[in-house]
Amino acid sequence: AQKVTQAQTEISVVEKEDVTLDCVYETRDTTYYLFWYKQPPSGELVFLIRRNSFDEQNEISGRYSWNFQKSTSSFNFTITASQVVDSAVYFCALSEPYILTGGGNKLTFGTGTQLKVEL
Amino acid sequence: EAGVAQSPRYKIIEKRQSVAFWCNPISGHATLYWYQQILGQGPKLLIQFQNNGVVDDSQLPKDRFSAERLKGVDSTLKIQPAKLEDSAVYLCASSSWRAGGAADTQYFGPGTRLTVL
Repeated sequence: AQKVTQAQTEISVVEKEDVTLDCVYETRDTTYYLFWYKQPPSGELVFLIRRNSFDEQNEISGRYSWNFQKSTSSFNFTITASQVVDSAVYFCALSEPYILTGGGNKLTFGTGTQLKVEL
Repeated sequence: EAGVAQSPRYKIIEKRQSVAFWCNPISGHATLYWYQQILGQGPKLLIQFQNNGVVDDSQLPKDRFSAERLKGVDSTLKIQPAKLEDSAVYLCASSSWRAGGAADTQYFGPGTRLTVL
């Protein structure tokens, strides 16, 4: 069974600090996809990144960067120079393909990490 | 491009009452998902549609929950009768459909916050 673990329940940082959110996953699939979503207080889940299991290159997008390490089954997310607007709950998710239907996938989410950025 | 639309945004009902939520996906997205998110937890898939057919409803409590997507576009999720433990945010998401297990990105609506008293 698929499983995603976000061991950090809550992290508090002061603005401009760097912060890393951890994500560890379990899967028996050789092909899978990993996602990060942001959920601000308004409640809507905002897509941040999608990565497939064959692409282990790290990715940087502005102040955001992601470190994918297949050897340790981790997909960690770093925010550089954090800002108050980064305060939100961040979810890591793992896709599971539906074998019998010939297509489609199911997301398994972690429990989320609440990030609080203070002035 | 318009995102996933949901209504209502908030709903308060008494236990044993009925409630319905509506979702309109992103135009052209064949796949539609309903999730339940209990406070402090990650979203849990309730049901997934491919056009107007059900792909996965294994975690839908079918004795009280039902969902339909009759014309393959918008969808309705109903709870009848509601219980206290149904208090949660109900999220709708949509994505394109890819064969072979490839995962397309799911885009989420703003959710409906349900409180059952």
